[in-house]
Amino acid sequence: DARVTQTPRDKVTEMGQEVTMRCQPILGHNTVFWYRQTMMQGLELLAYFRNRAPLDDSGMPKDRFSAEMPDATLATLKIQPSEPRDSAVYFCASAQSAPTGEAFFGQGTRLTVV
Amino acid sequence: RKEVEQDPGPFNVPEGATVAFNCTYSNSASQSFFWYRQDCRKEPKLLMSVYSSGNEDGRFTAQLNRASQYISLLIRDSKLSDSATYLCVVRGMFSGGYNKLIFGAGTRLAVHP
Repeated sequence: DARVTQTPRDKVTEMGQEVTMRCQPILGHNTVFWYRQTMMQGLELLAYFRNRAPLDDSGMPKDRFSAEMPDATLATLKIQPSEPRDSAVYFCASAQSAPTGEAFFGQGTRLTVV
Repeated sequence: RKEVEQDPGPFNVPEGATVAFNCTYSNSASQSFFWYRQDCRKEPKLLMSVYSSGNEDGRFTAQLNRASQYISLLIRDSKLSDSATYLCVVRGMFSGGYNKLIFGAGTRLAVHP
């Protein structure tokens, strides 16, 4: 059963610390999305990759957030330094490149910055 | 204006009721449309795709009106297990020319006995 895998599932960290979230997309999917979900904002698109290339990260605070795909099986989202307002659930989703395909989500990383 | 807008909700309905959710999208070049379901503290999961001709899956019916840029979801004979947040999703070429998946804020449904 193919699925998107995210680690860690939960992360509690102190303000100012670096946080790295990881995502393994479904094999064969060449499109990866990172979303952030909070009660106030709903699901916000942070970054979007196709064939490992970052196509759009306009939704991401550039000063502290960075997203990469070191290889086709790993996407990372890093926050440095973390702040309490970064507390949210971060979802990774993968899809095939066809513009009509649905995306499949990982279980998310619940981040709490204290 | 948000790219995808949904009914604010929450909808509180008794078991057996019929409930309808509406959604509008701003980009006329949008190419594909979906309804996702999200349970509390879980990830969003695809409920159904939405096709121009309308489509049905059991108690669920989805409709698309491209001219009005409007999508709907109808749930008949509501069950307690239908309680969740329903997310309207649009995929297409949004700002910047990139193929994105944009989510509405979601509508919460609570079905009570």
